[in-house]
Amino acid sequence: QQQVKQSPQSLIVQKGGISIINCAYENTAFDYFPWYQQFPGKGPALLIAIRPDVSEKKEGRFTISFNKSAKQFSLHIMDSQPGDSATYFCAATAGNQFYFGTGTSLTVIP
Amino acid sequence: EAQVTQNPRYLITVTGKKLTVTCSQNMNHEYMSWYRQDPGLGLRQIYYSMNVEVTDKGDVPEGYKVSRKEKRNFPLILESPSPNQTSLYFCASSLRGQTQYFGPGTRLLVL
Repeated sequence: QQQVKQSPQSLIVQKGGISIINCAYENTAFDYFPWYQQFPGKGPALLIAIRPDVSEKKEGRFTISFNKSAKQFSLHIMDSQPGDSATYFCAATAGNQFYFGTGTSLTVIP
Repeated sequence: EAQVTQNPRYLITVTGKKLTVTCSQNMNHEYMSWYRQDPGLGLRQIYYSMNVEVTDKGDVPEGYKVSRKEKRNFPLILESPSPNQTSLYFCASSLRGQTQYFGPGTRLLVL
């Protein structure tokens, strides 16, 4: 059973556009929600993270929106660039256990 | 340079032949974890360790063993590998509750 549901599976966006990836969860014990970026042949790297007491967090072109009541959170990439082309994973943690979404392959077309 | 290293990076083996994938971190992190990554399934946690001699099962521990005898090392052991353990494996480390740093991955093929 997938603890964190992620959509879409793949996304194609024009350069300069906005990329939006969504995740949903059920376990209210989750207390940390990171997003990871993974390039081919590399391990995932933390992009941005949020805790459930905050509804939004912005770092540069990347923003997490968090809706605690709906148990959903999303990643917005503003002004998407070809260098953003990668696979993105949302995750949620409860204590020492991490649960990842299934990933979104983002392609930004020049 | 702060990093998590894994060895080997690529491994082809046969069913039933015991193997060990090593993981080492130089950041003095308490927390270490192993994941497998499979297409369409994302990353799934196999085992994690909160400190030396403290380990616990993740989401998919069957067929795997781990040990944490030193803070910097966290090897993953497959006592009797099977084809369904063919996967891409990642080790990660962090200070407790903080950002996880991932290794470069080990691609395993079990024939």
